[in-house]
Amino acid sequence: GQNIDQPTEMTATEGAIVQINCTYQTSGFNGLFWYQQHAGEAPTFLSYNVLDGLEEKGRFSSFLSRSKGYSYLLLKELQMKDSASYLCAVRNSNYQLIWGAGTKLIIKP
Amino acid sequence: ETGVTQTPRHLVMGMTNKKSLKCEQHLGHNAMYWYKQSAKKPLELMFVYNFKEQTENNSVPSRFSPECPNSSHLFLHLHTLQPEDSALYLCASSQEGEAWKPTGELFFGEGSRLTVL
Repeated sequence: GQNIDQPTEMTATEGAIVQINCTYQTSGFNGLFWYQQHAGEAPTFLSYNVLDGLEEKGRFSSFLSRSKGYSYLLLKELQMKDSASYLCAVRNSNYQLIWGAGTKLIIKP
Repeated sequence: ETGVTQTPRHLVMGMTNKKSLKCEQHLGHNAMYWYKQSAKKPLELMFVYNFKEQTENNSVPSRFSPECPNSSHLFLHLHTLQPEDSALYLCASSQEGEAWKPTGELFFGEGSRLTVL
């Protein structure tokens, strides 16, 4: 079967750095997405990786290793507003999106 | 209005009711989706419409019936639902190529929270 694994919940401190991991087993690979979803709101697109390496976008970075079936989302200089769920999704060889269950990130002052 | 809008935001219905969820996208996209989101579970794709044609139906029970009258509007008609259908129903849109090789990111609405009594 196909699945995406990511931690259910993480806690971090305001101003710190947190890394949210995502491992995947899918039938082929055509890109990996990270979305952010605040409670009661729509998921919003954060990043897209299709080649190995690090993509940096402000305080957020996303890394991909296709050989290891692994990605992480790195959040720096954490702010209270970063408290949200972070969803990892992989597009397989049939261009279907396979979703993880999401990681709930709790930021403490 | 901009983005993807869904109505109603909240819906409570009995098992014998008939109701509809509505989605409208103002982004000029050519693909629209219905997803089901349950607590602590991955998003479940229900239906996909590309250029108004349904291209995917993930073995969804017939008590859910989608309708896509044009590329901007998407409905989900609900009939004789079960309590386990209670969830957040998310609509999304994207701009995909003519070869239907979806590569773009999804733009989501804020969802319709459905409770079936």
